[in-house]
Amino acid sequence: AQKVTQTQTSISVVEKTTVTMDCVYETRDSSYFLFWYKQTASGEIVFLIRQDSYKKENATVGHYSLNFQKPKSSIGLIITATQIEDSAVYFCAMREENMGYKLTFGTGTSLLVDP
Amino acid sequence: NSKVIQTPRYLVKGQGQKAKMRCIPEKGHPVVFWYQQNKNNEFKFLINFQNQEVLQQIDMTEKRFSAECPSNSPCSLEIQSSEAGDSALYLCASSPGQYSNERLFFGHGTKLSVL
Repeated sequence: AQKVTQTQTSISVVEKTTVTMDCVYETRDSSYFLFWYKQTASGEIVFLIRQDSYKKENATVGHYSLNFQKPKSSIGLIITATQIEDSAVYFCAMREENMGYKLTFGTGTSLLVDP
Repeated sequence: NSKVIQTPRYLVKGQGQKAKMRCIPEKGHPVVFWYQQNKNNEFKFLINFQNQEVLQQIDMTEKRFSAECPSNSPCSLEIQSSEAGDSALYLCASSPGQYSNERLFFGHGTKLSVL
C-alpha cells in the first residue's frame, strides 16, 4: 500500500541558512509523482515543487530543490537561504500513476525560521 | 491567493446535527477532491470527482458522508449526523486533471467543530 513518512516533526533554523526536510515513501508502482506542499499559519496549502519518478535530475524551483534518491525511496526538500516567511508546515505527498488522481500525504514537518 | 473557494470557513455543530460545506473549484478544473485533515496533520482522502462523476472514494459504509459535484453548482460535502471525531479541517482541492503529475490547488478549508 502507498505510504508517505515524514519523521521530523519540527525543525528550527536561523534565517538565511539551509534546511533539509526528509520524506520516505512506499510504492509498488513503477511510475509515480512526488510533491511538496506547504501549509501556512492561515491554513493555506501551497504547491512548492514536484519530482517525477522517471526523471533522474533533481527538481529545482527558486530556493527549493529536491534530493531524490530513488533506491532509498527518499525525496528530501532543501530550502536554501531561508526567510522568516518560510515558517510553515511542509508536507510531502505521492501520487501513483496506476492509482488515479488520489494523493497520499505525510504528516508534515513544522519549520520555524528565526531571525 | 487560492482560487478554490470553500464556504463556510468555520462550522460549529452539535453531535447528531447535519454539517454541509461547499466548494467552488478553480475555473476550468474538472477534477475535485475532498480531504479531511485532523489535528495531527493527517490527511484522509475522502472522495474525488471528474466533472459530476465519482472517480474514487473511501468506503463510506456508515453512509454519514455524502458528496456531489452537480453541473453549474458548487460541489458539496455533507455529514448527515456529526460526531465528535468528525471535527477537522475539510479541504477541497481541484486539478486540471489532464496529466497524472499535475498539482492540486487547495481551498482554505472548512474547519468543522462538533461539540
